[in-house]
Amino acid sequence: AQTVTQSQPEMSVQEAETVTLSCTYDTSESDYYLFWYKQPPSRQMILVIRQEAYKQQNATENRFSVNFQKAAKSFSLKISDSQLGDAAMYFCAYRSASDMRFGAGTRLTVKP
Amino acid sequence: ETGVTQSPTHLIKTRGQQVTLRCSSQSGHNTVSWYQQALGQGPQFIFQYYREEENGRGNFPPRFSGLQFPNYSSELNVNALELDDSALYLCASSQKRGNTEAFFGQGTRLTVV
Repeated sequence: AQTVTQSQPEMSVQEAETVTLSCTYDTSESDYYLFWYKQPPSRQMILVIRQEAYKQQNATENRFSVNFQKAAKSFSLKISDSQLGDAAMYFCAYRSASDMRFGAGTRLTVKP
Repeated sequence: ETGVTQSPTHLIKTRGQQVTLRCSSQSGHNTVSWYQQALGQGPQFIFQYYREEENGRGNFPPRFSGLQFPNYSSELNVNALELDDSALYLCASSQKRGNTEAFFGQGTRLTVV
């Protein structure tokens, strides 16, 4: 079964600084997608960034970028120029055609 | 605003009762999936429906069942409620194929007493 592991229950970053959230996953499939979702206290899951497994190039979305290491099954999220509005739970997710698995989440605190 | 709506937003049920949660998918999406998120944990995959048929299921007992309708709206039914079923239930719609993400609703908070 596919598993997703986030080893950092909590992370803290100073406003305007950079932070990296870690994620590893385990799968035997070759066709899948990886995502980072943000869940603020309003509880709505919001997509931050996505990565197709067949693409070697790391995805970038404004201040958010990923470091995708397929062989190591690693998918970390880098947030640059952190803002107060970035404070939330962040979930790493793995999606195949018939399944979607989430990690346990990392709570990010942004200090002013 | 994702275009995915869930109802009700909050619900309180008694142990042993049955509950039905509803989800309206985003326009153009033919796949819906349901998740259970216990407090302080990540969402757990319950099942997925594609064109009205279940095509993926997580580690949940048969008392968790679902339906997807021709207009791609969906229901999650839970029978014989247990206290541990108390959680946030999320639904998400997506396109089955392609580079697409799952768009989530705001969830239904179920409390079993």
